[in-house]
Amino acid sequence: QKEVEQNSGPLSVPEGAIASLNCTYSDRGSQSFFWYRQYSGKSPELIMSIYSNGDKEDGRFTAQLNKASQYVSLLIRDSQPSDSATYLCAVDRGNNDMRFGAGTRLTVKP
Amino acid sequence: DAMVIQNPRYQVTQFGKPVTLSCSQTLNHNVMYWYQQKSSQAPKLLFHYYDKDFNNEADTPDNFQSRRPNTSFCFLDIRSPGLGDAAMYLCATSRDSGALQYFGPGTRLTVT
Repeated sequence: QKEVEQNSGPLSVPEGAIASLNCTYSDRGSQSFFWYRQYSGKSPELIMSIYSNGDKEDGRFTAQLNKASQYVSLLIRDSQPSDSATYLCAVDRGNNDMRFGAGTRLTVKP
Repeated sequence: DAMVIQNPRYQVTQFGKPVTLSCSQTLNHNVMYWYQQKSSQAPKLLFHYYDKDFNNEADTPDNFQSRRPNTSFCFLDIRSPGLGDAAMYLCATSRDSGALQYFGPGTRLTVT
């Protein structure tokens, strides 16, 4: 089992729709969870962090965490073509041990 | 205003020829990380420094070494690059353990 699993996609949504990205992780002791956006050929850019169960909203982005289910998600409302990128889920297992998923490629069609 | 700087952005080296990649930061963060990312794969942590303390991942090949001469700079040395080492190398920093990581723009390494 991979430490951080994501559906590789591609996930395609029309402009203005909600994009839902999912991630599961294997280390139950993980405490910090992050979503990064990565455009092709560029480095990851931090979008959201979440540390406790529930929802965290920032603009059009909402991160959701369920530690009991070892599940993290990212919702993007009112999706824009500029949101087209690969979204990486990252899990901090402690002691500076960050594990990344392989990413979900999102395409937002005008 | 760049906070994490990597040089060069693109590096071409020959098979077996040593190469050094550079990372610098203006954030005064304690922790600096090196990741390797191959196409369509997750970034893979190679090692990190917490201040001067070096932490190597168990599966990082001996071919990869790192130096952190001061808080601002960290180097990745690849002693004998193989074709399989062609990848994007990402440097990241964080203020402390468990804190947000900020990435530099990456260095794209090509091995010929």
